[in-house]
Amino acid sequence: AQSVTQLDSHVSVSEGTPVLLRCNYSSSYSPSLFWYVQHPNKGLQLLLKYTSAATLVKGINGFEAEFKKSETSFHLTKPSAHMSDAAEYFCVVSEEYGNTGKLIFGQGTTLQVKP
Amino acid sequence: EAGVAQSPRYKIIEKRQSVAFWCNPISGHATLYWYQQILGQGPKLLIQFQNNGVVDDSQLPKDRFSAERLKGVDSTLKIQPAKLEDSAVYLCASSRTDYNEQFFGPGTRLTVL
Repeated sequence: AQSVTQLDSHVSVSEGTPVLLRCNYSSSYSPSLFWYVQHPNKGLQLLLKYTSAATLVKGINGFEAEFKKSETSFHLTKPSAHMSDAAEYFCVVSEEYGNTGKLIFGQGTTLQVKP
Repeated sequence: EAGVAQSPRYKIIEKRQSVAFWCNPISGHATLYWYQQILGQGPKLLIQFQNNGVVDDSQLPKDRFSAERLKGVDSTLKIQPAKLEDSAVYLCASSRTDYNEQFFGPGTRLTVL
């Protein structure tokens, strides 16, 4: 069965410093992996997705993630944090078995950005 | 393009009462999903529709939860009777097919007292 583990429940950075949100996955198949962001009282928004093409995936708002099969990781990074990046971030794997497109979410990481 | 619409945005009920949530997906999206997001957790899929047929309802507590998608467009999710542990945000999402990006609505926050 597929699953994702977000290694940090809370990350705090200063504005202008790099962001690293860590995610490990478990999958018996070639996974599709995603990062979603959830701002307070707003819907989930797709940041980026990996679907077996390039291992370094670029997303919106300067975020990117690297798929490392040997480490079963899909960490999210951004070179310089902005105050507007403060939100909840979810690492997600798509269940390939049965090809339903079902998304399996991690527990989430709260990103705090300090001025 | 209008996004996924949900109503109501907030609902407070007492246990054992019933409640219903409504979702209007993005026009032309064949697949519709209902997720439950308990505070401090990631969303969990409750039910997935392809047009008006159910694809996956394996995690739907069928003794109290029901959902329908008449005419393959709007959908309603009902809880009857509600329990304290049903307090959560209920998210609706839609996609063109089950392989495409899912677009999420703002959610309905349910509080059961």
